[in-house]
Amino acid sequence: RKEVEQDPGPFNVPEGATVAFNCTYSNSASQSFFWYRQDCRKEPKLLMSVYSSGNEDGRFTAQLNRASQYISLLIRDSKLSDSATYLCAVGYENNDMRFGAGTRLTVKP
Amino acid sequence: DTEVTQTPKHLVMGMTNKKSLKCEQHMGHRAMYWYKQKAKKPPELMFVYSYEKLSINESVPSRFSPECPNSSLLNLHLHALQPEDSALYLCASRLGPNQPQHFGDGTRLSIL
Repeated sequence: RKEVEQDPGPFNVPEGATVAFNCTYSNSASQSFFWYRQDCRKEPKLLMSVYSSGNEDGRFTAQLNRASQYISLLIRDSKLSDSATYLCAVGYENNDMRFGAGTRLTVKP
Repeated sequence: DTEVTQTPKHLVMGMTNKKSLKCEQHMGHRAMYWYKQKAKKPPELMFVYSYEKLSINESVPSRFSPECPNSSLLNLHLHALQPEDSALYLCASRLGPNQPQHFGDGTRLSIL
């Protein structure tokens, strides 16, 4: 079983839609959680860190459920520019960091 | 613009060549990483340096040899690579265990 499992996708949604991605992690020693966005042939860029209390940045909301060992990302009012691959990442005390497989999102007009 | 600088951006090499990838950051980050990424796959962890010491080696073949000369620099020495090693090689750095990684824009490596 992979350490970090992520919705396979792809997700094809119309502009204005709300879309949610989930990741589950297997190691309860996981300490830090992040969502990254990666555009085609570019490096991953941090979208947001994920905190236990949940956090929001504009149209993006991230949540962490430690009991069930999953993190989620909600995108409201999708824009064409949101089209990308979204990667969840899980970090550990020893500086290890693992990525989920990534979910490709395409927002269509 | 990225705060983690990788050179070169593209590299084509034969299977008998020796080359090095370089990564530099001046953010005071004490953890530095090498990842390998194939098309349509997530970044795959290769090595982690913490405080200039190799802390994680994900059973990477010895034809890849990392080096951390100081807290700002990370190298990846390449020798006798195989065609399947063609990929995007990403460097990342991080201030500490609860902080996000910052990525360089990668070196696109092709092995002939």
